[in-house]
Amino acid sequence: DTAVSQTPKYLVTQMGNDKSIKCEQNLGHDTMYWYKQDSKKFLKIMFSYNNKELIINETVPNRFSPKSPDKAHLNLHINSLELGDSAVYFCASSLRERERSYEQYFGPGTRLTVT
Amino acid sequence: DQQVKQNSPSLSVQEGRISILNCDYTNSMFDYFLWYKKYPAEGPTFLISISSIKDKNEDGRFTVFLNKSAKHLSLHIVPSQPGDSAVYFCAATRRSGNTGKLIFGQGTTLQVKP
Repeated sequence: DTAVSQTPKYLVTQMGNDKSIKCEQNLGHDTMYWYKQDSKKFLKIMFSYNNKELIINETVPNRFSPKSPDKAHLNLHINSLELGDSAVYFCASSLRERERSYEQYFGPGTRLTVT
Repeated sequence: DQQVKQNSPSLSVQEGRISILNCDYTNSMFDYFLWYKKYPAEGPTFLISISSIKDKNEDGRFTVFLNKSAKHLSLHIVPSQPGDSAVYFCAATRRSGNTGKLIFGQGTTLQVKP
């Protein structure tokens, strides 16, 4: 009974393809996030949804589109993949409640490799 | 334009000794700081936090110190144990709006030798 799960764990694909990463949390949280960890190891916030409403949308190419069908799921769809999209993508969740907003629970990550 | 920096990529200490991990930030609007720990092939896990109105917060073997004038925080682990070997990320935020937005440093890999 994993708290935050992501699928797939590894994704190898060619440039120009479209791919999706799925995330699910069973913690009863109302807010979910996508982070990107690049080759320099920085974890950078990409998007955040609270009760299916987009609340954080950082400067991310519009080839990236998050979709939240319900508050337990947040998927990330990437169109026209580029080499620079290769990274580890982490999903996270939290309660939107003062300091608890920042005590986030992370999934295990999806390593995306674009060739 | 990294607002949170961890200038030591790695640290090695002997079991039982103190581990000190450092973090610097540039944005004076940050008012809440956190440390996360990450094991290989897992996501980061929340470890400890501190508000800007405090200069110290302690939780068991872990203590975080905040020096606002220097824009510096540190995580002390005493005594260090081999199970503490992991990557430690410092994170900072401005809490207005409860957006959950965290700015992370690039991490410091701690190795605790038995």
